Amino acid sequence: DTAVSQTPKYLVTQMGNDKSIKCEQNLGHDTMYWYKQDSKKFLKIMFSYNNKELIINETVPNRFSPKSPDKAHLNLHINSLELGDSAVYFCASSQDLAGGPDEQYFGPGTRLTVT
Amino acid sequence: LAKTTQPISMDSYEGQEVNITCSHNNIATNDYITWYQQFPSQGPRFIIQGYKTKVTNEVASLFIPADRKSSTLSLPRVSLSDTAVYYCLFFGSSASKIIFGSGTRLSIRP
Repeated sequence: DTAVSQTPKYLVTQMGNDKSIKCEQNLGHDTMYWYKQDSKKFLKIMFSYNNKELIINETVPNRFSPKSPDKAHLNLHINSLELGDSAVYFCASSQDLAGGPDEQYFGPGTRLTVT
Repeated sequence: LAKTTQPISMDSYEGQEVNITCSHNNIATNDYITWYQQFPSQGPRFIIQGYKTKVTNEVASLFIPADRKSSTLSLPRVSLSDTAVYYCLFFGSSASKIIFGSGTRLSIRP
């Protein structure tokens, strides 16, 4: 009964390929996020979705596109992968933000390696 | 945007109290201060959150001075299992920005 799950856990692919990472949360939360953690362990917000609406979109290349089929899922699609995309990607979720920030629950991460 | 400064690493011993400070000189009025813990090969885990003064829960305390330009995470009586990376995080109340600090690697020795 994992709260936030991601698949796959590891992803190795070649430059130029297109890949997707899936995320699901069973907490009934209204907001989901994608973060990128680089080799120096810096964590950076990429996207967040609230009730299927994008509310944050940082300076992320448009090769990255979040897709949310429903409130419990937020998938990350990456086109034309580049070496610099190698990182660990974390999905997270939290309750409604209307009353202020709430605790985020993170998934286990997906380690993406682009060769 | 608020920028943060944390010590890169800290060492301590079991049973000691550990204080980790995060400096954030240009924190915005609506920013909340949150701390997360991360173990190797795991996602970050929420520890504590506050806006001003002092907040305490079952695992930690968070001290925020009146000017809110810094915050201190206090871990009482640490154990070996507290060895991890600790991040301070700024979270605007409107979710318009989420900024993680660079993290402090805490090592606890027997």
